[in-house]
Amino acid sequence: DAKTTQPPSMDCAEGRAANLPCNHSTISGNEYVYWYRQIHSQGPQYIIHGLKNNETNEMASLIITEDRKSSTLILPHATLRDTAVYYCIVRGRDDKIIFGKGTRLHILP
Amino acid sequence: GAVVSQHPSWVICKSGTSVKIECRSLDFQATTMFWYRQFPKQSLMLMATSNEGSKATYEQGVEKDKFLINHASLTLSTLTVTSAHPEDSSFYICSAREWTSGDNEQFFGPGTRLTVL
Repeated sequence: DAKTTQPPSMDCAEGRAANLPCNHSTISGNEYVYWYRQIHSQGPQYIIHGLKNNETNEMASLIITEDRKSSTLILPHATLRDTAVYYCIVRGRDDKIIFGKGTRLHILP
Repeated sequence: GAVVSQHPSWVICKSGTSVKIECRSLDFQATTMFWYRQFPKQSLMLMATSNEGSKATYEQGVEKDKFLINHASLTLSTLTVTSAHPEDSSFYICSAREWTSGDNEQFFGPGTRLTVL
């Protein structure tokens, strides 16, 4: 079973920041938080991952709470091409990736 | 960046025939590859994990005799759906894990859409 809880869907206006929450209250000390997204009829695309510290790359920022029980993926300036299902995944470095139901993000023009 | 390819991207076959799907890591060596299946409007479901040179490990409920997995080299894994039936119609996605010093990221292929008539 997936170790994360995400809202089933969210809307965001184009050009605004999209903030996608994820709860992972049972995360253990050696588990990372990963985010992937899947655009319709494509394979999942890696976005970002983190352990304790906040992370930022060219695609997004990942904010992890101090107790590590939840996190937020931030797409700073959402575009229509960001419409996808976003998966928050908790895993150890040697673990296989198990997908939950994810959040379907709709970017509104 | 690490690229994983799949071939074919889509296939249509008749019921009772077998279909082979290839998964290749193009610019890295993948000691471990994974196969997922995705039905419409559902999430990806892990089918099996394969390590190069050894037998695949199947998830509970996945028939190993129906879904044959071969991982003969560090860059190629194949999934053969034997005696395919319409209920096997699905989107099959492979993933490859790259082992480097201190890192083990997992990269996904573009998927193969199988339609069984």
